[in-house]
Amino acid sequence: SAVISQKPSRDICQRGTSLTIQCQVDSQVTMMFWYRQQPGQSLTLIATANQGSEATYESGFVIDKFPISRPNLTFSTLTVSNMSPEDSSIYLCSVDRTSGRGEQFFGPGTRLTVL
Amino acid sequence: AQTVTQSQPEMSVQEAETVTLSCTYDTSESDYYLFWYKQPPSRQMILVIRQEAYKQQNATENRFSVNFQKAAKSFSLKISDSQLGDAAMYFCAYRRLGGSRLTFGEGTQLTVNP
Repeated sequence: SAVISQKPSRDICQRGTSLTIQCQVDSQVTMMFWYRQQPGQSLTLIATANQGSEATYESGFVIDKFPISRPNLTFSTLTVSNMSPEDSSIYLCSVDRTSGRGEQFFGPGTRLTVL
Repeated sequence: AQTVTQSQPEMSVQEAETVTLSCTYDTSESDYYLFWYKQPPSRQMILVIRQEAYKQQNATENRFSVNFQKAAKSFSLKISDSQLGDAAMYFCAYRRLGGSRLTFGEGTQLTVNP
């Protein structure tokens, strides 16, 4: 399995500011994924990040609000821009298992609170 | 669009007993993966078990097993000999073969009573 780390693990931010979340993997992976988990709810895919190309966003998520970078095969960032209290969530990154068995491994998540 | 439904928001079980968590899904695809993930209070998502749709044999992982009914689009998780450490939120998830997105159910909060 992949070892995935995220920074920060948690943060409290003011309305209108932006926060960049980092995701680091211990091995090269083709695709990295960013999910949002709102309080008491399930996970929803925000976007898929491929190295060397623009991220692919799911319906309801836009690049201006959630810009993503993928500079190499082991690292990605997600920025939550112009935050509002509705952005308070856990943000998780994940990667595919390299053997193509379908499952994704998840990072420990970033708990974001927006005041 | 694929949907995943978990009809039990909460379940409880006595330590050492067996519990079954339910999951149904909707898809028009014939090849796909199904998963159960566990999320303890630490919020780390942990893969519990996986099932490939083309395999008729139900997957098992130690105390965890599934009942996969493809025609009924049902994928339940059985936990045997429940332990206190099994207490967590359990999510059922679907992934189309060749697709990137995991589609999650709403989750079932499992409590294990000593």
